[in-house]
Amino acid sequence: KAGVTQTPRYLIKTRGQQVTLSCSPISGHRSVSWYQQTPGQGLQFLFEYFSETQRNKGNFPGRFSGRQFSNSRSEMNVSTLELGDSALYLCASSSKLQGGEQYFGPGTRLTVT
Amino acid sequence: KNQVEQSPQSLIILEGKNCTLQCNYTVSPFSNLRWYKQDTGRGPVSLTIMTFSENTKSNGRYTATLDADTKQSSLHITASQLSDSASYICVVIGTSGTYKYIFGTGTRLKVLA
Repeated sequence: KAGVTQTPRYLIKTRGQQVTLSCSPISGHRSVSWYQQTPGQGLQFLFEYFSETQRNKGNFPGRFSGRQFSNSRSEMNVSTLELGDSALYLCASSSKLQGGEQYFGPGTRLTVT
Repeated sequence: KNQVEQSPQSLIILEGKNCTLQCNYTVSPFSNLRWYKQDTGRGPVSLTIMTFSENTKSNGRYTATLDADTKQSSLHITASQLSDSASYICVVIGTSGTYKYIFGTGTRLKVLA
């Protein structure tokens, strides 16, 4: 069974731009969660989608948004990028909503200059 | 405030030796506590998941313990190998309202030959 895939793996953007990251979950998994990982803050939860609906949200500003498609693939969008948005963005898929075992993708390394 | 604290921040041991990593948390109520291993440049991989009623759980050379009364968990690695060099992250899933994933900042372990 193929694992969680994320594209692109690396991205460089300029402050003020917007970016869209993509995540394809393990086949059959309907839950996709997004996380931001930085050296200073560690891993922080962004949001969780299940069956195309956002079910849980972390404490991030509205510039961070996401969506999930009918095939469970998910995208995360960050608008008006700031230098502090530079991070590794990880997505994780699960067969269950909230609390199920999660399988992480390799992440997208975003650098904002 | 819900927090997860890990110690030590970093650790260096010789191959073949044992080590124990600590995780203290203030999350309440909680559903389960997880330990993840994260290799450099990769997404976290689940090692153990324990509910509040479980005291110990093993996964090969990794053994996690949980004391829900003192809100402490530990991850013991037996007969360390070079491939154990990684960051180990403790995550507590809180259940106040919706599920909240609260991450520790991790312990960076280096195993030397």
